[in-house]
Amino acid sequence: DTGVSQNPRHKITKRGQNVTFRCDPISEHNRLYWYRQTLGQGPEFLTYFQNEAQLEKSRLLSDRFSAERPKGSFSTLEIQRTEQGDSAMYLCASSFPGLAGLTETQYFGPGTRLLVL
Amino acid sequence: DQQVKQNSPSLSVQEGRISILNCDYTNSMFDYFLWYKKYPAEGPTFLISISSIKDKNEDGRFTVFLNKSAKHLSLHIVPSQPGDSAVYFCAATSGTYKYIFGTGTRLKVLA
Repeated sequence: DTGVSQNPRHKITKRGQNVTFRCDPISEHNRLYWYRQTLGQGPEFLTYFQNEAQLEKSRLLSDRFSAERPKGSFSTLEIQRTEQGDSAMYLCASSFPGLAGLTETQYFGPGTRLLVL
Repeated sequence: DQQVKQNSPSLSVQEGRISILNCDYTNSMFDYFLWYKKYPAEGPTFLISISSIKDKNEDGRFTVFLNKSAKHLSLHIVPSQPGDSAVYFCAATSGTYKYIFGTGTRLKVLA
């Protein structure tokens, strides 16, 4: 049973550097989500893909953030010119469309913890 | 604007007793609710969900209750076990892909 995987698990970088995270969803799941979690808060929605199409981006996702999902499989989240405020846990989740009228459940990966010095 | 609130940041319960975790929401359009458990350094793990057409859903030791008129849901764990010690998040959605999470309740089950 392969769940959602994320790499790297931890990343320490200096302010101003670029970082890229990868997410591999559960294989049959065609929907993929990115969330960000800061200390003492719950996960906050960032963006959503259905197959390779990015269908929504939160206003939390500034111009320095870009996400891709080429070929509708794995996804990458890149942060350019990192700032100390970007320090957080970045979570990826995936889901399979439920039956008509039913909301599907999102399954989360272990997250990538980013620390910007 | 916190649409989903977990007002108790922590809860301690004796092993074998019932744990009750609470969650309140403000958006009446929410129609699907979930509970996730999170251990340190891991992602949230799905526990149980409930649709707004129901008021109760059970899965083993876990039961979720939904009171739509009060905009309140609760998670009951019976009996509580030390391995249940974790942070519990409730989440809600209005039939879409965007989950709105609460801030979490840290449960500690004492042996």
